[in-house]
Amino acid sequence: AQSVTQLGSHVSVSEGALVLLRCNYSSSVPPYLFWYVQYPNQGLQLLLKYTSAATLVKGINGFEAEFKKSETSFHLTKPSAHMSDAAEYFCAVTGGSGNTPLVFGKGTRLSVIA
Amino acid sequence: DGGITQSPKYLFRKEGQNVTLSCEQNLNHDAMYWYRQDPGQGLRLIYYSQIVNDFQKGDIAEGYSVSREKKESFPLTVTSAQKNPTAFYLCASQNRAGYGTEAFFGQGTRLTVV
Repeated sequence: AQSVTQLGSHVSVSEGALVLLRCNYSSSVPPYLFWYVQYPNQGLQLLLKYTSAATLVKGINGFEAEFKKSETSFHLTKPSAHMSDAAEYFCAVTGGSGNTPLVFGKGTRLSVIA
Repeated sequence: DGGITQSPKYLFRKEGQNVTLSCEQNLNHDAMYWYRQDPGQGLRLIYYSQIVNDFQKGDIAEGYSVSREKKESFPLTVTSAQKNPTAFYLCASQNRAGYGTEAFFGQGTRLTVV
């Protein structure tokens, strides 16, 4: 079975500051990991994904994440927060035989203060 | 444009009624999913289907039913047995379930019991 834990249900940063959203995973097989963003009353949009090709993954809107097997982590970062980054962010994991749906964390709401 | 269409965007249900949420995709994806989203609980899997005429229960299937008669359609019925149906419902599709491919999401349906 797979699971993800997102540390911090709400993170608040100043505009221009570093964004760090934490995700730790649990998986008995090599995982595929994803970060999604959700704006109010909308669906989820993929930010980036890890599929074992490279441990540092770059995504859209300046976000990136690093897969660290030793720490079972896949934290999301952005060097400089923008007001438009305010949203909810979800980490997700899947893997294994190919018959396993994505399992999502509970989400982290990011607020950006001017 | 390819994508996933959920309808309606807002839905109101009276106590004891069954309601059906529509989900259509033109991405030619094999796998389709229904998730329920409640504040602070992330996305929880209701049902999923990886092939036409076949589907599996997710973590919270009680009080819900689905069908998959066509590859592009995966409607969800919220029955009167679902005691707390007020939530945001998200439909997703995926090209090959579990092989590192991302899920694509619709814009969601917000269901409210009145």
